[in-house]
Amino acid sequence: GQNIDQPTEMTATEGAIVQINCTYQTSGFNGLFWYQQHAGEAPTFLSYNVLDGLEEKGRFSSFLSRSKGYSYLLLKELQMKDSASYLCAVRDSNYQLIWGAGTKLIIKP
Amino acid sequence: DADVTQTPRNRITKTGKRIMLECSQTKGHDRMYWYRQDPGLGLRLIYYSFDVKDINKGEISDGYSVSRQAQAKFSLSLESAIPNQTALYFCATSDLASDTDTQYFGPGTRLTVL
Repeated sequence: GQNIDQPTEMTATEGAIVQINCTYQTSGFNGLFWYQQHAGEAPTFLSYNVLDGLEEKGRFSSFLSRSKGYSYLLLKELQMKDSASYLCAVRDSNYQLIWGAGTKLIIKP
Repeated sequence: DADVTQTPRNRITKTGKRIMLECSQTKGHDRMYWYRQDPGLGLRLIYYSFDVKDINKGEISDGYSVSRQAQAKFSLSLESAIPNQTALYFCATSDLASDTDTQYFGPGTRLTVL
């Protein structure tokens, strides 16, 4: 079967750096997405990786290793507004998105 | 104005009732999707449509039906609602012509079936 694994919850301090990991086992690979979702709101797109390496976008960066079935989302200079769930999703060989359950990130002052 | 809208935003209904959730988009995207989200689970695909004449079942289509009335409108129906259909429902759109075919989500409909 297809599977996306992420930690359920993480805690970090305002101003610090946090890395959220995602491992996947899917039938094929056609890209990996990271979304942010505040409680009760819609997921919003953060980043897309299809080739190995690091993609940087402001305070957020996303890394992909296709051979290891692994990605991480790196958040720098954490702000209280970064408290949210972070969803990892992989597009499989059928071009469908397979979603992880999400990582709830708690930021403490 | 929001690019993807959903109505209603909240709905409480009783077991056995038929209900419809509506989704409209002004993004001009050809692809539209319906997902449900339950606590502790990832988003699960119910139905998707790549254009007006194309409707496809997703992972969990049983108990649901859809209608693509126009490129901009995609409705989800629960023919006879049951309590385990209580969930947060999201509509999403994407553009095949884009480099990434990224999905963009509406604000969601919180459905409670009593």
